[in-house]
Amino acid sequence: QVQLQESGPGLVKPSETLSLTCTVSGDSISSYYWSWIRQPPGKGLEWIGYVYNNGYTKYNPSLKDRVTISVDTSKNQFSLRLTSVTAEDTAVYYCARPRIVGNTSGAFDIWGQGTMVTVSS
Amino acid sequence: QSALTQPPSASGAPGQSVTISCSGTSSDVGGYNYVSWYQQHPGKAPKLIIFDVSKRPSGVPDRFSGSKSGNTASLTVSGLQAEDEGDYYCGSYAGSNTVVFGGGTKVTVL
Repeated sequence: QVQLQESGPGLVKPSETLSLTCTVSGDSISSYYWSWIRQPPGKGLEWIGYVYNNGYTKYNPSLKDRVTISVDTSKNQFSLRLTSVTAEDTAVYYCARPRIVGNTSGAFDIWGQGTMVTVSS
Repeated sequence: QSALTQPPSASGAPGQSVTISCSGTSSDVGGYNYVSWYQQHPGKAPKLIIFDVSKRPSGVPDRFSGSKSGNTASLTVSGLQAEDEGDYYCGSYAGSNTVVFGGGTKVTVL
């Protein structure tokens, strides 16, 4: 079955860049809109953005000036970069896949286990 | 793009029903039939339990049901069981290939 696995540093210094990768196994990265979603400690979910296999991206307007999501089809991976991080970017970061090919309606049925990223000096 | 509004908590005794609301605007909940609901247990990733307002993925019990009226969506859990305790989040398509989530509701089984 399809599995997603996030990887990357668990600690990032303020003003630096957060970088995470999601590895997709059990399915091709083609045809879906792959997403990053985050959850600050004790708070709700926040959608960060999508990437498609052709490189098309769409971002949360509140983050779009700092975020880049990219895809590497040869490695079946997609990645997140968030620049100029502050303590408010401390969160569990999830990668997720919607339930339908080519769909951006937001029903995510496959999630990674999540990775905690703390922003602190 | 503002977060959808959910009550912070809800509770019910075993066997009873609990309903959680999710309020948005005509630009998200009210504008599309693309509301989804997620169940999250501590330390776990969210699990999709409702999509397209009222549809259940395979394997989700029919005790979970969803509906929508205007700019507000609702999730009802009937016949509450101990394992239903957890956090519940709504999400909605918000146009232009964007998604917005709610702040979450903690459900307690008394």
